[in-house]
Amino acid sequence: LAKTTQPISMDSYEGQEVNITCSHNNIATNDYITWYQQFPSQGPRFIIQGYKTKVTNEVASLFIPADRKSSTLSLPRVSLSDTAVYYCLVGVMNTGFQKLVFGTGTRLLVSP
Amino acid sequence: GAVVSQHPSRVICKSGTSVKIECRSLDFQATTMFWYRQFPKKSLMLMATSNEGSKATYEQGVEKDKFLINHASLTLSTLTVTSAHPEDSSFYICSATGQGFGETQYFGPGTRLLVL
Repeated sequence: LAKTTQPISMDSYEGQEVNITCSHNNIATNDYITWYQQFPSQGPRFIIQGYKTKVTNEVASLFIPADRKSSTLSLPRVSLSDTAVYYCLVGVMNTGFQKLVFGTGTRLLVSP
Repeated sequence: GAVVSQHPSRVICKSGTSVKIECRSLDFQATTMFWYRQFPKKSLMLMATSNEGSKATYEQGVEKDKFLINHASLTLSTLTVTSAHPEDSSFYICSATGQGFGETQYFGPGTRLLVL
């Protein structure tokens, strides 16, 4: 399982775009990249998943360069409610199930 | 997205008693369920993986006789903490995945266990 490295914490202000970068130098060919968001005393919530290039959904974008050794989660115009811990994980798809290994995550604090 | 529930949301028990936590997939069949434990300000740590109808696979360092996992149906898995002690106090979270979800796991809301 590829190990991921993220910044421990980030600060931002309401309305700003936040980019959280995750490095996964040992990512394997079959690995997908998934991001989860977790609020205190709640289970993680799926945000976005991708394999290469760019993926966008209603809440975020995920940018993955050609070498796939890193990925960037982009949150447009954050609000106070985006204050949470964000986890980047990599794992293999289409093998029945994927064992997730959570790293430290990035604690994002959004201020007024 | 898929919905996973947990019951109870929080439980307080006396040392030496056993506690059962339920994890249910509400709108899909969960072929695989996972149990995690999370201590305050820490990341989630995988305890075990269970496939419906078979024995759970425990992570290294997790006592299978203490943390009993049953995945008897495609919508229900249970975690029983036997002879609980204060050091077992933690936030227990389950997740589930099923056919068609690829590698996406959907997490329950968690269960806060406090052992006195």
